[in-house]
Amino acid sequence: EVVMTQSPLSLPVTLGQPASISCRSSQSLVYGDGNTYLNWFQQRPGQSPRRLIYKVSNRDSGVPDRFSGSGSGTDFTLKISRVEAEDVAVYYCMQGTHWPPYTFGQGTKLEI
Amino acid sequence: QVRLVESGGGVVQPGRSLRLSCAASGFTFSSYAMHWVRQAPGKGLEWVAVISYDAVHKNYADSVKGRFTVSRDDSKNTLYMEMNSLRADDTATYYCARDTFDGVRNYGMDVWGQGTTVTVSS
Repeated sequence: EVVMTQSPLSLPVTLGQPASISCRSSQSLVYGDGNTYLNWFQQRPGQSPRRLIYKVSNRDSGVPDRFSGSGSGTDFTLKISRVEAEDVAVYYCMQGTHWPPYTFGQGTKLEI
Repeated sequence: QVRLVESGGGVVQPGRSLRLSCAASGFTFSSYAMHWVRQAPGKGLEWVAVISYDAVHKNYADSVKGRFTVSRDDSKNTLYMEMNSLRADDTATYYCARDTFDGVRNYGMDVWGQGTTVTVSS
C-alpha cells in the first residue's frame, strides 16, 4: 500500500499571502504510461470533498487559477498564490496510480 | 448538472446490517466506475470500495473486505453498498463518488455526493 504523507498538518496563513502544502508518497507515482496520478481535494467545513487538481498539475473546471499543483515521482506540492477567506478548508492529496487501495494523505488544515 | 445523492444512513447496532444507496443524475452512469469513500468523525478520508462501469470488477479496502459489498443498478442509475457485521469503527460519513478514466487508467474520484452518516452503536 502506498502511504501518502502531507506536511504541515496545520497551516496558519494570512489573507493575501501564499500557502504551500507538501505531499510525499512512499513510492513513485509514475504509471507505466508515463502519467502520474496524483490528485488534490479541498474539503470546506461541513462540505463534501471537491477535486481541485488531477494528474499533478491540471486544474478542474471552475477552480481559481491561484491554485496550482506541481511535483514528480514521490514529491508533490499544492500552492495557493494568494489565500482568500473561502480557501479555509482541509486539503488532501490522493494517489490513483497503485490501487487498490486508493490512498489519501492525512489532510492539511488551512486556517486564517 | 452531475449530481450524486446518498441515502440509507442511520444508527445501527454492532453486528447488524445496513444498505446505502447513491442516486446519480446528469451523466451516463453506466459508463463510469464508482467509488465509496468514508470519513470517520473528525478524521480524514478513507477509500472503501470501487466498482467498474460494467460491474465486473470490484475492489475493497482491507478494513471492509468480506463484510461490505458494492453493487450497481444501471437501470436505476443507482450505486449501492451492502454493509454487514457492522462495527463501531465503521461509524462515518459515507460518500459516493464518480471515477475518472483517461482512456488508459482509472485514477480516482472527481464528483462527490453530499454523504450519508452511519453510526454503529448499541
